[in-house]
Amino acid sequence: EAGVAQSPRYKIIEKRQSVAFWCNPISGHATLYWYQQILGQGPKLLIQFQNNGVVDDSQLPKDRFSAERLKGVDSTLKIQPAKLEDSAVYLCASSLGLAEYNEQFFGPGTRLTVL
Amino acid sequence: AQSVTQLDSHVSVSEGTPVLLRCNYSSSYSPSLFWYVQHPNKGLQLLLKYTSAATLVKGINGFEAEFKKSETSFHLTKPSAHMSDAAEYFCVVSDSGSARQLTFGSGTQLTVLP
Repeated sequence: EAGVAQSPRYKIIEKRQSVAFWCNPISGHATLYWYQQILGQGPKLLIQFQNNGVVDDSQLPKDRFSAERLKGVDSTLKIQPAKLEDSAVYLCASSLGLAEYNEQFFGPGTRLTVL
Repeated sequence: AQSVTQLDSHVSVSEGTPVLLRCNYSSSYSPSLFWYVQHPNKGLQLLLKYTSAATLVKGINGFEAEFKKSETSFHLTKPSAHMSDAAEYFCVVSDSGSARQLTFGSGTQLTVLP
């Protein structure tokens, strides 16, 4: 079974530029998550989708971050404009559904460096 | 509200000796608890999970954890460390009051010495 795919794996940009990350979840997984993992910390949930609807985006900095999952499969996360403090690994995860026993499967992440 | 505290940011053990990674949690509801492992340049992988069944949970690669409600703890153990166990370990809590979202601890870096 193919895992969660993310691209690019690495990205270096200057502050005030924009950047986009892509995630392809495991086939059949209805729930998709984006996490931000700053160096030395655990992942923090940014946004959670159920199919193509947003379940929770309370921790997404909406002035600069946006995310979509238009067809309920792939998802993109965008940052515009980027700040130095956005340097982090952005993880995508997917699960079959919202039930607590549904394990979340994580992709390898995109490491973003903002100069 | 839910939170997790991992009591050690770094743990070093010698190969073949026991491993203990400590975790305390706080939850307003009956929690589910997880341990995830993260190897360098690889995705997070689920080691084991507790979801209100047996309090002693066995996971992959010989790891296990015991849910102790009275101590609000969920420590991870392994009888004998292997070099391949070197990685970052995250204790994670999820409760029914938070749409079952995962809240991660800050992680424990495990070093295994030859």
